[in-house]
Amino acid sequence: DTEVTQTPKHLVMGMTNKKSLKCEQHMGHRAMYWYKQKAKKPPELMFVYSYEKLSINESVPSRFSPECPNSSLLNLHLHALQPEDSALYLCASSQDLAGETQYFGPGTRLLVL
Amino acid sequence: GENVGLHLPTLSVQEGDNSIINCAYSNSASDYFIWYKQESGKGPQFIIDIRSNMDKRQGQRVTVLLNKTVKHLSLQIAATQPGDSAVYFCAETVQGAQKLVFGQGTRLTINP
Repeated sequence: DTEVTQTPKHLVMGMTNKKSLKCEQHMGHRAMYWYKQKAKKPPELMFVYSYEKLSINESVPSRFSPECPNSSLLNLHLHALQPEDSALYLCASSQDLAGETQYFGPGTRLLVL
Repeated sequence: GENVGLHLPTLSVQEGDNSIINCAYSNSASDYFIWYKQESGKGPQFIIDIRSNMDKRQGQRVTVLLNKTVKHLSLQIAATQPGDSAVYFCAETVQGAQKLVFGQGTRLTINP
């Protein structure tokens, strides 16, 4: 089983809203990732968690706040987003950080109005 | 059908033909490479990978070739089918670097 699930599939929010994206994997992977993908572009790394600890923050604005409650779950809390933050948000996981294959979820399509 | 480097982001092939998607990677220290397929509205799907100690690896209908001398990676798809229509991304990483570096992607379209 190489499944990473993400909820919701679609999200529309205003610039004053607070929302959260959720990601779950049951493969026993110890590394989890958030990516942002704009149309016709490759995924851009936002955050990396390794063994439930934040390992990398790619200078992401503080209006994006990641959280890793346990080894299977990864959240991305959203607050005061801008219209340019509209994108596909992808979660991925890998066995660990040692150059292993990352498996992606289906993504959450976010629209900020 | 074949695309050349990253300057031709779209590749059109006839159904049943073989497709070759190319990728020029940037880091000579990269030692692990992955091809992903991304269909419209979906997340990237792992297709095949290769480590730098190999120059060729085969899967079901797909073959990845690695030429470290010129930092070039290619994905060959045999007998292309309509279901192969997607954007294909190459990705490279250095073991322990914690990051994948993605190429810009190539859109593969299949003509009936």
